[in-house]
Amino acid sequence: DAKTTQPPSMDCAEGRAANLPCNHSTISGNEYVYWYRQIHSQGPQYIIHGLKNNETNEMASLIITEDRKSSTLILPHATLRDTAVYYCIVRGYTNAGKSTFGDGTTLTVKP
Amino acid sequence: NAGVTQTPKFRVLKTGQSMTLLCAQDMNHEYMYWYRQDPGMGLRLIHYSVGEGTTAKGEVPDGYNVSRLKKQNFLLGLESAAPSQTSVYFCASSLARDRVAEAFFGQGTRLTVV
Repeated sequence: DAKTTQPPSMDCAEGRAANLPCNHSTISGNEYVYWYRQIHSQGPQYIIHGLKNNETNEMASLIITEDRKSSTLILPHATLRDTAVYYCIVRGYTNAGKSTFGDGTTLTVKP
Repeated sequence: NAGVTQTPKFRVLKTGQSMTLLCAQDMNHEYMYWYRQDPGMGLRLIHYSVGEGTTAKGEVPDGYNVSRLKKQNFLLGLESAAPSQTSVYFCASSLARDRVAEAFFGQGTRLTVV
């Protein structure tokens, strides 16, 4: 699986958009970008995934650059409950069981 | 909707003792995983299974054994616990043969080895 790089921490004001970056410059053609979050030591929670097109669901949007070497997770209107550690993971079809979560980005949403 | 259930939620072991952590999922998922998470760090894959009766090593398998005798259950065993195995253990499951399968996680087991 490709290695990912995320900033260790970010702050965001409540109600504003939170933009969390992830670099994955060694991503290969069959690898997907997944985002998970972990709130206060609970089990990680799936947020969104994508291959090369931008994706949106009820939780977030995922923007993947054209060269697929980086991506941004967007929480459009952050709330205090979005305070969590956010993990960006790159995973291929043949390596479904080999995802290691890095240190992630600790997002703190402030009132 | 139970999802992924881990048993027990907390446990304290003495060095050298053995124990088994149970993970059960009710979503008919093929793939199951065991991770450990040390304080302030991300999750590291211990072992995983791509189907009933099959297991494989992950990133940090030493000191652990696993078994997948039934599709819905994935057991993690510690034969002789060491203080270095003090951690939070997470189990997860996902669909197989689906290249976009997300993983569903349990709530974790907090293990302390003294």
